[in-house]
Amino acid sequence: SQTIHQWPATLVQPVGSPLSLECTVEGTSNPNLYWYRQAAGRGLQLLFYSVGIGQISSEVPQNLSASRPQDRQFILSSKKLLLSDSGFYLCAWSGGTTWNQPQHFGDGTRLSIL
Amino acid sequence: AQSVAQPEDQVNVAEGNPLTVKCTYSVSGNPYLFWYVQYPNRGLQFLLKYITGDNLVKGSYGFEAEFNKSQTSFHLKKPSALVSDSALYFCAVRDGGSGNTGKLIFGQGTTLQVKP
Repeated sequence: SQTIHQWPATLVQPVGSPLSLECTVEGTSNPNLYWYRQAAGRGLQLLFYSVGIGQISSEVPQNLSASRPQDRQFILSSKKLLLSDSGFYLCAWSGGTTWNQPQHFGDGTRLSIL
Repeated sequence: AQSVAQPEDQVNVAEGNPLTVKCTYSVSGNPYLFWYVQYPNRGLQFLLKYITGDNLVKGSYGFEAEFNKSQTSFHLKKPSALVSDSALYFCAVRDGGSGNTGKLIFGQGTTLQVKP
């Protein structure tokens, strides 16, 4: 069966520090991958999605970037964190060739910026 | 443009009573609809989906949803609520203009509170 892993679960970082959050998927190949941010336990904001290695689409301009160095690895990064980057970050995957299938989510990273 | 609306920020029900969490959508073309549940400090869990076929879709944990094309609604239901059903619920629709990306458009979420 397919599984998705995100780490770390919790992260506290000072303003101006770099960031790297990692997401990996097991049990499937060529998935679509997504990064979301959820503020205050409410709606989801899609940040990036990827349909293949090295293919990244950005949904909103921001202080963050994403990379997909391997088929099942998706990384969210920042060179200098801002206070506004605080939030709950969720990674998700869906079948690459079956577009009517649901997305499946990891358990998220709670990021606090001090 | 595709959109999803969840008109209620919060729904309160007593344990054992039926529950309904509302969702309406706007899409061009055929709708592909999903319901998710989120418990505190966890990711979203997929409950059920409507792609085509029967208007009543059955999903996980005893939940079901009724697709109504004329009212453009996809309400989530359960005949008898449990305290453990208390969580945040999201309705989502596939972004019809997204090609093969699998992108979804999510509603703002509805908090379900089931009281004993």
